[in-house]
Amino acid sequence: DAGITQSPRHKVTETGTPVTLRCHQTENHRYMYWYRQDPGHGLRLIHYSYGVKDTDKGEVSDGYSVSRSKTEDFLLTLESATSSQTSVYFCAISESNYGYTFGSGTRLTVV
Amino acid sequence: GIQVEQSPPDLILQEGANSTLRCNFSDSVNNLQWFHQNPWGQLINLFYIPSGTKQNGRLSATTVATERYSLLYISSSQTTDSGVYFCAVSFSGNTPLVFGKGTRLSVIA
Repeated sequence: DAGITQSPRHKVTETGTPVTLRCHQTENHRYMYWYRQDPGHGLRLIHYSYGVKDTDKGEVSDGYSVSRSKTEDFLLTLESATSSQTSVYFCAISESNYGYTFGSGTRLTVV
Repeated sequence: GIQVEQSPPDLILQEGANSTLRCNFSDSVNNLQWFHQNPWGQLINLFYIPSGTKQNGRLSATTVATERYSLLYISSSQTTDSGVYFCAVSFSGNTPLVFGKGTRLSVIA
């Protein structure tokens, strides 16, 4: 969607390697979120940010870290990828009391 | 944490039919949104509706916050309405949304 982009769109990586996914916004929104989507589970929150250098954990944060050094970028890092982290990852942005806008997603496969 | 239940889990409709999707949630919320995920995976925000009723074309939504449910109405369904519909809630606009597992809708021509 206009204003939010995720990269890469697809990635295949090996077990044990580090992986970083990027979310970039041009809307200057305060809040940014990382969700993962798996069959039978809907979307589950990994981490979110409420400002530069302000982040908090979500429901499924184990094995993931995040960083937000500037308003427009929110990075998600898998320190040592495992097969259970094979998923589709979505980034979203919002301002308080407004609807979320989602990126197009990153399909990650860990082999 | 908040529990969100959506029903039905799956729905198959003939083109032109109407449908109602339901979202029940376990606690008082101040933020409720409906999303459509199309067959290509893109998530589109349909409504921000913590209470009351809104309409957008053939789609409308009603949230009764005091009774902890929301309804999404789709009238005169089209094949392009196919996909998964998600309801998501949170305590406030500042807290992250918790998603239901979705209703998968298939509209057949």
